Amino acid sequence: DIQMTQSPSSLSASVGDRVTITCRASQSISSYLNWYQQKPGKAPKLLIYAASSLQSGVPSRFSGSGSGTDFTLTISSLQPEDFATYYCQQSYSTPPTFGPGTKVDIK
Amino acid sequence: QVQLVESGGGVVQPGRSLRLSCAASGFTFSSYGMHWVRQAPGKGLEWVAVISYDGSNKYYADSVKGRFTISRDNSKNTLYLQMNSLRAEDTAVYYCAKDKGGVTRTYWYFDLWGRGTLVTVSS
Repeated sequence: DIQMTQSPSSLSASVGDRVTITCRASQSISSYLNWYQQKPGKAPKLLIYAASSLQSGVPSRFSGSGSGTDFTLTISSLQPEDFATYYCQQSYSTPPTFGPGTKVDIK
Repeated sequence: QVQLVESGGGVVQPGRSLRLSCAASGFTFSSYGMHWVRQAPGKGLEWVAVISYDGSNKYYADSVKGRFTISRDNSKNTLYLQMNSLRAEDTAVYYCAKDKGGVTRTYWYFDLWGRGTLVTVSS
């Protein structure tokens, strides 16, 4: 199975900050990388698919980049509703696997 | 309204069985692969199983292979997960999730999720 890691595991930020989360795969996954947002007690929500494609309805302050083994999720200007846990997920090979998550909370 | 609604969770003893259901609405259910993904309390996400749009192909995580069975009834717009020989480590919120792809291929990522149903395996 492909192992996914994320850094940092948590971060504190203020409204308006630029936030970057990193995801690394244990082997090359081309651009088969997806990002989800999960708020407490809620289901995950797809933000970015295929490394850099914005899911319909997701604000443009979210962006993704990377290929191969290293990927980033960037929130250009953090909003109050963005405080949540973010997961990356590879869809390159079966089984699909998720990173351990990055919790973004209020500084 | 486009949504997925899971049901069937509860408290069950180790070794017993449980069947989860997921009712789909607002989209053409029979055109999409469907998945189950679970999340143990306070933990991350773990993919469990997938079924193709027509039910002809199914894949499972090693952790549930031989114990869980995914199925679907396209006439009822409903996805199922039959869980047998349950273990304490199966305790989790179980989400059904729609695959981003359609009849041409499975994309193996998830663009619509239900709210989840909690399964607790405990004596």
